[in-house]
Amino acid sequence: NAGVTQTPKFQVLKTGQSMTLQCAQDMNHNSMYWYRQDPGMGLRLIYYSASEGTTDKGEVPNGYNVSRLNKREFSLRLESAAPSQTSVYFCASAWDRTGNTIYFGEGSWLTVV
Amino acid sequence: GENVEQHPSTLSVQEGDSAVIKCTYSDSASNYFPWYKQELGKGPQLIIDIRSNVGEKKDQRIAVTLNKTAKHFSLHITETQPEDSAVYFCAASRRGSTLGRLYFGRGTQLTVWP
Repeated sequence: NAGVTQTPKFQVLKTGQSMTLQCAQDMNHNSMYWYRQDPGMGLRLIYYSASEGTTDKGEVPNGYNVSRLNKREFSLRLESAAPSQTSVYFCASAWDRTGNTIYFGEGSWLTVV
Repeated sequence: GENVEQHPSTLSVQEGDSAVIKCTYSDSASNYFPWYKQELGKGPQLIIDIRSNVGEKKDQRIAVTLNKTAKHFSLHITETQPEDSAVYFCAASRRGSTLGRLYFGRGTQLTVWP
């Protein structure tokens, strides 16, 4: 019962470094999402992928890129990390993009110094 | 797009008391309203949801009510227990529409004191 698995769990980056957050789901879901969570701001959508081969911007896409590698995997890349990207990142998936129940991963804590 | 407002941002109750969290939404076409619970260090998990064709739904100590006319919905937790302490998020979407992504409120930190 893995559900949504994301790695790494914790990461410290220096300003300007790049890194990729990995996410995989084993529920055969079509849609996948990346959110960031900051104190007092709730969950903000960075990017989503409605289906394999498609990606779309969410509310806060600047500074990020994504890749829907296949149906199972959806990665988030920070090309040049900035302190403002210090946050908790959540990957999520859903059967489809039409508002069905979203299942979240456990989160990745990222600190940019 | 949709705008979901959630209140209060923090809520403290004594064990055994009830807790109520309220949300309002702006898009009259929204028809699906889930609630998520996030425990410390974990991802949010769905605890209950309601569709726009019903006004209330219960699951043991948890209930959700929906007022479509006023565009607000609420989470009610009765007989609270310390393990109910968590951050709760409401959300809204147009389920069944290609515009149907979830829009989240900013969350409520619920603390239940023993």
